[in-house]
Amino acid sequence: DTEVTQTPKHLVMGMTNKKSLKCEQHMGHRAMYWYKQKAKKPPELMFVYSYEKLSINESVPSRFSPECPNSSLLNLHLHALQPEDSALYLCASSQDTLRNYGYTFGSGTRLTVV
Amino acid sequence: AQKVTQAQTEISVVEKEDVTLDCVYETRDTTYYLFWYKQPPSGELVFLIRRNSFDEQNEISGRYSWNFQKSTSSFNFTITASQVVDSAVYFCALSENRDDKIIFGKGTRLHILP
Repeated sequence: DTEVTQTPKHLVMGMTNKKSLKCEQHMGHRAMYWYKQKAKKPPELMFVYSYEKLSINESVPSRFSPECPNSSLLNLHLHALQPEDSALYLCASSQDTLRNYGYTFGSGTRLTVV
Repeated sequence: AQKVTQAQTEISVVEKEDVTLDCVYETRDTTYYLFWYKQPPSGELVFLIRRNSFDEQNEISGRYSWNFQKSTSSFNFTITASQVVDSAVYFCALSENRDDKIIFGKGTRLHILP
């Protein structure tokens, strides 16, 4: 299995809703990432988990809450989002945070906040 | 500070033409890694190549080739005999050895016209 699987593929949520994005990989990768990509912009790093511990938080607002329950799974919990948070949310994994192997990206969750 | 510049915002070529996508980077580190990713309309980021700063050998993979020149801080990507399926956004990216961030350029949108 050489994939990163993200669910759901599309999500529409209201500003008062609570929802979660899920990311899963079974490649034995020990680093997992969340990126946010606005339309016609490059991906921007949000969070890095290394060996199931949060190692980088790029000053992301607290309405985004990451969770790494185990080495294969990464969640992003969403609460009280704003319309400007609408974007493509990409999950990625890599073998090891210190060796800069290429990331493997999932196909993303396209989020719309209404 | 690390930075990646892709000066070409959008390129259109006719099928079977060769096309080169430019990438210029800035970093203070002596050890760093360069990447190219392809993002088709489906949204998934597809890893194409990783190159470390100590390996200046050019690489060819089928119709794709990469020219890494440290003297000019460039890592250009050439597609030979382009095909419609090559139409996508292409991102050049840089990662320094000190951390696990990958910084993306703004991307080049490539249109291959039939």
